[in-house]
Amino acid sequence: DAGVIQSPRHEVTEMGQEVTLRCKPISGHDYLFWYRQTMMRGLELLIYFNNNVPIDDSGMPEDRFSAKMPNASFSTLKIQPSEPRDSAVYFCASSEQGSNEQFFGPGTRLTVL
Amino acid sequence: KQEVTQIPAALSVPEGENLVLNCSFTDSAIYNLQWFRQDPGKGLTSLLLIQSSQREQTSGRLNASLDKSSGRSTLYIAASQPGDSATYLCAVRPRDSNYQLIWGAGTKLIIKP
Repeated sequence: DAGVIQSPRHEVTEMGQEVTLRCKPISGHDYLFWYRQTMMRGLELLIYFNNNVPIDDSGMPEDRFSAKMPNASFSTLKIQPSEPRDSAVYFCASSEQGSNEQFFGPGTRLTVL
Repeated sequence: KQEVTQIPAALSVPEGENLVLNCSFTDSAIYNLQWFRQDPGKGLTSLLLIQSSQREQTSGRLNASLDKSSGRSTLYIAASQPGDSATYLCAVRPRDSNYQLIWGAGTKLIIKP
């Protein structure tokens, strides 16, 4: 398996634009997690899904953030409208039912100007 | 509220030395503890996962221990190499968390040739 795949790897956009981040989890994994990493706050869990259903979105900072998982092999994290303080590295991770071990993608480095 | 602390924040040692990284947590009611490695500009790689019922786990030159009663875990790296240079993060899964991990801020390790 290629591991967790994220795209794009880098995204530079202007304030107010819509940003969509994409993730393909490891095949067969039932859990998918979206994280944000910044120097100031470290790693923060934004939302996670189990069997494509959002289970806990309490980490989503504002209504500008939304996440979907239309099927077992694809998830998106959307920011609309984006703001400079959203600049961070966004990671997607997946996990197998009962495994507890999370496998991370390479991340998307987002810069909002 | 569970908090995870890693000390020191940074560590620089000569190649070949054995070293210990520390992770402490405030609430002993955990499901497991996981050590990750993060290379600059890349995602996180899972190194070792210790279940709450275990005392240690080993993988190659790495050994992780867990003492729930004192709220501590250590990651021991034997015969360090320049390729071990990275940021090492520990994360605990609280017993009541539903897969959410609580993260330490990491220890940045530099192995000097």
